[in-house]
Amino acid sequence: QKEVEQNSGPLSVPEGAIASLNCTYSDRGSQSFFWYRQYSGKSPELIMSIYSNGDKEDGRFTAQLNKASQYVSLLIRDSQPSDSATYLCAVNPPDDYKLSFGAGTTVTVRA
Amino acid sequence: GAVVSQHPSRVICKSGTSVKIECRSLDFQATTMFWYRQFPKQSLMLMATSNEGSKATYEQGVEKDKFLINHASLTLSTLTVTSAHPEDSSFYICSARGLAGGLEQYFGPGTRLTVT
Repeated sequence: QKEVEQNSGPLSVPEGAIASLNCTYSDRGSQSFFWYRQYSGKSPELIMSIYSNGDKEDGRFTAQLNKASQYVSLLIRDSQPSDSATYLCAVNPPDDYKLSFGAGTTVTVRA
Repeated sequence: GAVVSQHPSRVICKSGTSVKIECRSLDFQATTMFWYRQFPKQSLMLMATSNEGSKATYEQGVEKDKFLINHASLTLSTLTVTSAHPEDSSFYICSARGLAGGLEQYFGPGTRLTVT
């Protein structure tokens, strides 16, 4: 079982809609969770971090964490063409400073 | 805040030569820096972790004598690809984690290496 799994995508949404990205992780003791955005040909950019169960909102982005279900998600509201990118879920396993990355979900926002 | 730079952004070299890539944290001190490699359409692959003043820790399958890492200060780490071959052509990305203790990693813009 992979440490971090994301829905495979690609995910295509119309402009203005909500894009929903899902991520599950295998190590129940994980405490820190991150979402990165990576445009084609560019390096990843940190967009959200979440540490506690519940929702965390930042602008049009909302991260949701459920540690009991070992599940973290990212919602992008009012999706814009500029949101078209690959979104990487990253998890910090316990007792480790490295991040485990999912394979990424590619999102395309249709104008 | 949390800006990481890399230099060069793009390099083309001949097979058999060595290439050095620099990674700098510009507005924070980085206790730990990470080096990743990414091939087209593939996931990030962690190559090694470096801590200031100590030897780098390499991931399984990464040749430490080929990919030399030096973390000379809290703001600078270098990756040297020695005796580069065409199969080393890839996108090399560094990231840094700050002294503040947070586990976020901030990525540099990456270096695209082409070995001819």
